[in-house]
Amino acid sequence: DSGVTQTPKHLITATGQRVTLRCSPRSGDLSVYWYQQSLDQGLQFLIQYYNGEERAKGNILERFSAQQFPDLHSELNLSSLELGDSALYFCASSVEAKNTEAFFGQGTRLTVV
Amino acid sequence: GEDVEQSLFLSVREGDSSVINCTYTDSSSTYLYWYKQEPGAGLQLLTYIFSNMDMKQDQRLTVLLNKKDKHLSLRIADTQTGDSAIYFCAASGGSYIPTFGRGTSLIVHP
Repeated sequence: DSGVTQTPKHLITATGQRVTLRCSPRSGDLSVYWYQQSLDQGLQFLIQYYNGEERAKGNILERFSAQQFPDLHSELNLSSLELGDSALYFCASSVEAKNTEAFFGQGTRLTVV
Repeated sequence: GEDVEQSLFLSVREGDSSVINCTYTDSSSTYLYWYKQEPGAGLQLLTYIFSNMDMKQDQRLTVLLNKKDKHLSLRIADTQTGDSAIYFCAASGGSYIPTFGRGTSLIVHP
């Protein structure tokens, strides 16, 4: 158990809908990262938050947004969902903004039908 | 941007050594990582090496870095069936955000 908790584990929704994925980092970790893992794209970095502030942005679509709350948990919001958004979404956390040792959650499997 | 390449599959016999190879493109990469992903689980950091090191050993794991050729390898000694998993190579530069390879599926058979 990495200490990073993601909910829900599985999510099935229809195209055009909006979903929210939740991540609780390890105790004491200030930095949260979101990744998307799909068969065709592999593991893609989406966005990083550090202590409530956006720190780095990767290949995140405009339909996607994220935030980190004062208690350091993070949410990834995916809207106007398309079939191609079906993927595993991972959250990871690390103590510092520098991701030398990041711990991953078990992921949320999103299926868009 | 950074590109990380690794072969997709490796099959070994139990008890043999496994060597998983990886190449990366950005010569300014500072940290090189190996992660392991078991079915239904997230990625587990196995080890990482700083770019000014050539080798790092941790129990059955040996990481070799050839910075000139931008080549990273992970050797698993005495491979066991429990080592069957997908192994990801990753590299990061100044942003400290790793770019991951596609992963190598290691299959260990008796």
